[in-house]
Amino acid sequence: SAVISQKPSRDICQRGTSLTIQCQVDSQVTMMFWYRQQPGQSLTLIATANQGSEATYESGFVIDKFPISRPNLTFSTLTVSNMSPEDSSIYLCSVRGRSTDTQYFGPGTRLTVL
Amino acid sequence: AQRVTQPEKLLSVFKGAPVELKCNYSYSGSPELFWYVQYSRQRLQLLLRHISRESIKGFTADLNKGETSFHLKKPFAQEEDSAMYYCALSGSVRGATNKLIFGTGTLLAVQP
Repeated sequence: SAVISQKPSRDICQRGTSLTIQCQVDSQVTMMFWYRQQPGQSLTLIATANQGSEATYESGFVIDKFPISRPNLTFSTLTVSNMSPEDSSIYLCSVRGRSTDTQYFGPGTRLTVL
Repeated sequence: AQRVTQPEKLLSVFKGAPVELKCNYSYSGSPELFWYVQYSRQRLQLLLRHISRESIKGFTADLNKGETSFHLKKPFAQEEDSAMYYCALSGSVRGATNKLIFGTGTLLAVQP
């Protein structure tokens, strides 16, 4: 399984600001994903981060609000832009295993927007 | 529409009692089903997947295509099994493969 780290682990931000979350994997992976887990809710896929091209966003999520970068096969960033209290969530990065359909998850970034 | 349903938000059992965490799914193709577990203050981790047909930590889950279910079972619960359990489905959606669709989760509390 892949070892995934995320930075920051948590942050408290002011309304209207932006936060960039980093995801680092210890091996090259084809597919990286960003999920959101709102308080008391399940995980919802935000987008698939594609290396060398634009991310693929799920319904309800747009690039202007959640820009994603994927400069190489081991790293991705998710930015939460112009934050509001409704963006308070845990944001998780996940990767797909090289030879399986299994996804492995990072520890998450707990974001609180005041 | 693809959907995963976990009808119980909380399941409380006594140590040594059998456990069954329910999961039903809706999917038009041939899905991959998974159970993920999140222990207190730990990251989400894979518990088992239906393709492997394995038993992990005493847990098993059988895919029942007729009932579209993938219930998680353990004959004798242990206190260390207390955690949040998520059922998840992987399938191809709008050309995007491997999207995981999660249920809302069931909190398993094993009482001493």
